[in-house]
Amino acid sequence: NAGVTQTPKFQVLKTGQSMTLQCAQDMNHEYMSWYRQDPGMGLRLIHYSVGAGITDQGEVPNGYNVSRSTTEDFPLRLLSAAPSQTSVYFCASSRESRTSGGPQYFGPGTRLTVT
Amino acid sequence: AQSVAQPEDQVNVAEGNPLTVKCTYSVSGNPYLFWYVQYPNRGLQFLLKYITGDNLVKGSYGFEAEFNKSQTSFHLKKPSALVSDSALYFCAVRVGSSGNTPLVFGKGTRLSVIA
Repeated sequence: NAGVTQTPKFQVLKTGQSMTLQCAQDMNHEYMSWYRQDPGMGLRLIHYSVGAGITDQGEVPNGYNVSRSTTEDFPLRLLSAAPSQTSVYFCASSRESRTSGGPQYFGPGTRLTVT
Repeated sequence: AQSVAQPEDQVNVAEGNPLTVKCTYSVSGNPYLFWYVQYPNRGLQFLLKYITGDNLVKGSYGFEAEFNKSQTSFHLKKPSALVSDSALYFCAVRVGSSGNTPLVFGKGTRLSVIA
């Protein structure tokens, strides 16, 4: 298994540009999520999905869109990039259940700089 | 709302000494508690979790954590620190028995083990 993969690893955008961060997992996990990591802020949840066709907002959703058309893929779209979106973005997945509380598996991250 | 606090931004410990990284939580309901570790330029890796049962949980790399319901704490411990344990550690919580609620992370504690 490749686990959770993210592309690209690095990206530089100009203010106002749009782009999509890709995330895929091959573990048949129902639950997927996107976080951003900023110094001193820890990880903050952007959006999450509990299954194909179902998404919901996390703590910091503004400026980002997501969709979940398949179990495997969960892309994150920046609609109009702003310098405040400069961050490291992590995608994660887990096999959630009501009794097991499965751990999340994280991708390697995408380092995004918006100038 | 659920939340996690890691009161120390940085913990320094000498190699061979015991280490503790502190975590307290707040949830309305039964907590599922997790510890993750992040090495430089990498994604987060799962260390251990508490769901139910024995309050002392053992995890990867010799780490353990003790769940204390009365103090709402879940401190990470290791009897003898290694230089290779130097990393960023995150505590996380979600409400148990509620299906697919998202994980909430603390801001992280940087552990530095000095030879």
